[in-house]
Amino acid sequence: GENVEQHPSTLSVQEGDSAVIKCTYSDSASNYFPWYKQELGKRPQLIIDIRSNVGEKKDQRIAVTLNKTAKHFSLHITETQPEDSAVYFCAAVLSGSARQLTFGSGTQLTVLP
Amino acid sequence: GAVVSQHPSWVICKSGTSVKIECRSLDFQATTMFWYRQFPKQSLMLMATSNEGSKATYEQGVEKDKFLINHASLTLSTLTVTSAHPEDSSFYICSAQKQGGGQETQYFGPGTRLLVL
Repeated sequence: GENVEQHPSTLSVQEGDSAVIKCTYSDSASNYFPWYKQELGKRPQLIIDIRSNVGEKKDQRIAVTLNKTAKHFSLHITETQPEDSAVYFCAAVLSGSARQLTFGSGTQLTVLP
Repeated sequence: GAVVSQHPSWVICKSGTSVKIECRSLDFQATTMFWYRQFPKQSLMLMATSNEGSKATYEQGVEKDKFLINHASLTLSTLTVTSAHPEDSSFYICSAQKQGGGQETQYFGPGTRLLVL
């Protein structure tokens, strides 16, 4: 099955700085990579996703890059704000499967004002 | 939109009792729903895949006789924790898969916090 590793587990940045979270996956057959933001006690919210036929995707302050050869993908948040503080999870989905999400271990992002 | 609801949002029960959790897709049909368990400060762990009209598929290590799943309609899946014990206390989250335009996206319910005394 798929295995997703996520780093770092915690990340603190100053407001206005950028934050980068990295994930690697094991199965080259994975073709869909969503990122979720989860605030304490709440549901995960999809913030951005990327498919294997695309190398980069951007949505305002958030961007995701994918390197299929190296089997890693990254989340980039620019101009961070205190409300960006949350736990971020990456995930991978195998092609041809029941579209199950395999999650990374999560990154606690803290944006310091 | 794509809204998924869960009920109840929290439940406290005595050891040995059974607890039923409902997951509903409110504005779309979902042939596939997923059930996750999340312990404090940990990631979401997939428990089972719920398919409308057929038996659920359980992940390795998840007891199907303890965690009963029923997906009776395209908008409702239920998870019943039978004979709950304190170690079953956790945050249970469902997700519903929305299909369209050649893409599939999972939308999560708000979660159910279970505390077994």
